[in-house]
Amino acid sequence: QKEVEQNSGPLSVPEGAIASLNCTYSDRGSQSFFWYRQYSGKSPELIMFIYSNGDKEDGRFTAQLNKASQYVSLLIRDSQPSDSATYLCAVISVKTSYDKVIFGPGTSLSVIP
Amino acid sequence: GAVVSQHPSRVICKSGTSVKIECRSLDFQATTMFWYRQFPKQSLMLMATSNEGSKATYEQGVEKDKFLINHASLTLSTLTVTSAHPEDSSFYICSAPPLGANTEAFFGQGTRLTVV
Repeated sequence: QKEVEQNSGPLSVPEGAIASLNCTYSDRGSQSFFWYRQYSGKSPELIMFIYSNGDKEDGRFTAQLNKASQYVSLLIRDSQPSDSATYLCAVISVKTSYDKVIFGPGTSLSVIP
Repeated sequence: GAVVSQHPSRVICKSGTSVKIECRSLDFQATTMFWYRQFPKQSLMLMATSNEGSKATYEQGVEKDKFLINHASLTLSTLTVTSAHPEDSSFYICSAPPLGANTEAFFGQGTRLTVV
C-alpha cells in the first residue's frame, strides 16, 4: 500500500461547479496534512493545511480531515478555469526521526469554461 | 514566509557529464533539505534527505553514487547528477521541511534537467 493515495483523475468540472478531491494515507500516526497545487513545470504551491479533524475553510477552498478513516479531502467551490492544475495531497510522515513530507500521486483537475 | 532559492531553473547537458543543482535557504537555517524528482505527469518522489554535517539519507532505489548530495552549510544543499543519461531528464525540486509544528514545507523553484 502506498503511503498516500489519490484519485488520479483527470477530473473535469464545469466552471462554477464544486470540485472534490480525495486523499487517503496509511500512516495512522501522521498529524499534518497539506494540499498543494502544481501547474505544469512549476513547483508546488500550498493551498491549505489541516491538522484537526473536521473542516477548515479558506475562501473557496475547504479541507476536510477524518483521522479515524485516514482520509483528507479538498473541496473547491465556484471552480474557475484558473484552478485547472494538478492537486497534490501531502502528509508529514513521523516514521523517521525527522519529518518527511510524502506526496500522493496527484489529481489532475480541469475546469471547463 | 521562508524562502528557498534553487538554481539553475533549467539546464541542458550532454550525456556523460555532471550537473550540480544548488538549493539555498535565504532567511532561515535548514539543517535538513529534501530532494524530489518529478517525471512528467507523475508526483514528486522523494529521492534523498540531506543533513548538515552528516551523510545524506537516500530512499530505496536511488543510487547514492549517481546522485551526490552535499549539505555544505546550514543554508546550502547541493545535488549533483553524475554521468547523466537521458533517463535522468526530469524536474528536480528541493524542499526545506516545516520549521515547526503546524507549518508548511518550503519549495525551491525547481530545476528542469534535460540530458541530450
